[in-house]
Amino acid sequence: DIQMTQSPSSVSASVGDRVIITCRASQGISSWLAWFQQKPGEAPKLLIYAASGLESGVPSRFSGSGSGTDFTLTITSLQPEDFATYFCQQADSFPLTFGGGTKVEIK
Amino acid sequence: QVQLQESGPGQVKPSETLSLTCTVFGGSVSSGFYYWSWIRQPPGKGLEWIGYIYYSGSTNYNPSLKSRVTISMDTSRNQFSLKLRSVTPADTAVYYCARTVLRRPYTMDVWGKGTTVTVSS
Repeated sequence: DIQMTQSPSSVSASVGDRVIITCRASQGISSWLAWFQQKPGEAPKLLIYAASGLESGVPSRFSGSGSGTDFTLTITSLQPEDFATYFCQQADSFPLTFGGGTKVEIK
Repeated sequence: QVQLQESGPGQVKPSETLSLTCTVFGGSVSSGFYYWSWIRQPPGKGLEWIGYIYYSGSTNYNPSLKSRVTISMDTSRNQFSLKLRSVTPADTAVYYCARTVLRRPYTMDVWGKGTTVTVSS
């Protein structure tokens, strides 16, 4: 199985800040990576597919980059509704696997 | 707009079988354009992909659960189902069903709201 490692596990930030979350795959996965946002009591919501593709309806302040084993999710100008947990998921091969999550908290 | 809805018992006894159903609204499980997956999330923890079924009946399971899992489909009811045998408290989780893209990137673009299953006597 491909292991996904996210960092940091949590980050404190203020409204308007830029937040960067990283995800590393245990082997190369080309650009086959997705990012999800999950709020308490809700299902995950797809934000980014294929490392940098913005899912329809997702604000442009979310962006993704990377290829191979190292990926980043950037949130520019953090908004109140962005405080949530973010997960990466390798989308290259089965079994699909997820990172451990990054909780974005209010500073 | 496609929506998915999980249903099933909220509590299962240890050693018994967990059974859940996902009903698809606004789309068809027989379309052939997607896989249909189950994913779970233990309390306070991360996400684990359980497996998928395709309209042809083909399945793919996570090796960590393969010996205990069966996913099936009822096209007449536009539903797919999960059975997890010999459950233990470690199987306590929120269980989600999700539509899964057929080609790379294999990801879940539509999710159900999730249903909580507690394994306890």
